[in-house]
Amino acid sequence: DTEVTQTPKHLVMGMTNKKSLKCEQHMGHRAMYWYKQKAKKPPELMFVYSYEKLSINESVPSRFSPECPNSSLLNLHLHALQPEDSALYLCASSQKVGYGYTFGSGTRLTVV
Amino acid sequence: AQSVTQLGSHVSVSEGALVLLRCNYSSSVPPYLFWYVQYPNQGLQLLLKYTSAATLVKGINGFEAEFKKSETSFHLTKPSAHMSDAAEYFCAVSDLTGANNLFFGTGTRLTVIP
Repeated sequence: DTEVTQTPKHLVMGMTNKKSLKCEQHMGHRAMYWYKQKAKKPPELMFVYSYEKLSINESVPSRFSPECPNSSLLNLHLHALQPEDSALYLCASSQKVGYGYTFGSGTRLTVV
Repeated sequence: AQSVTQLGSHVSVSEGALVLLRCNYSSSVPPYLFWYVQYPNQGLQLLLKYTSAATLVKGINGFEAEFKKSETSFHLTKPSAHMSDAAEYFCAVSDLTGANNLFFGTGTRLTVIP
């Protein structure tokens, strides 16, 4: 298995909703990442998990809450989002330095 | 700190013509460099990577890139463009710490004209 699987592919949520994005990989990668990508922009790093511990939080608002239940799974919990949070949310994993990342196909989030 | 600059946010080529997408890096030490492609509404796919081995790197879909230390460049080329190459291309540099963070350029949109 050489893929990163993200669910759901599309999500529409209201500003008072609570939802979660899920990311899964079975490549044995010990680093996992959440990125946010707005239209016509490069991905922006949000969170980094290394060996299931949060190692980097790039000043992301608390309405985004990451969770890494085990080495294969990464969640992003969403609560009280704003319309400007609408974006493509990408999950990625990596084996080690120099190997680059394997990206999932993303979740297209729309906040209404 | 590592960073990459992509010259040209939009490149148009005719089908069958040479593709050249430019990327220059800034790093105090030899970096690890990557090119990713993104098709509409999809994630990023790794095209190729430079990790201090051969300076000419061959990737998928007929793409290749050459690491030139003297020019701090890592330009992406393909001899003959195909319609299916139309996409967004991102150059990225990896920091060399254990965090292995990737820093992306601003991207280049490639349009292929039939």
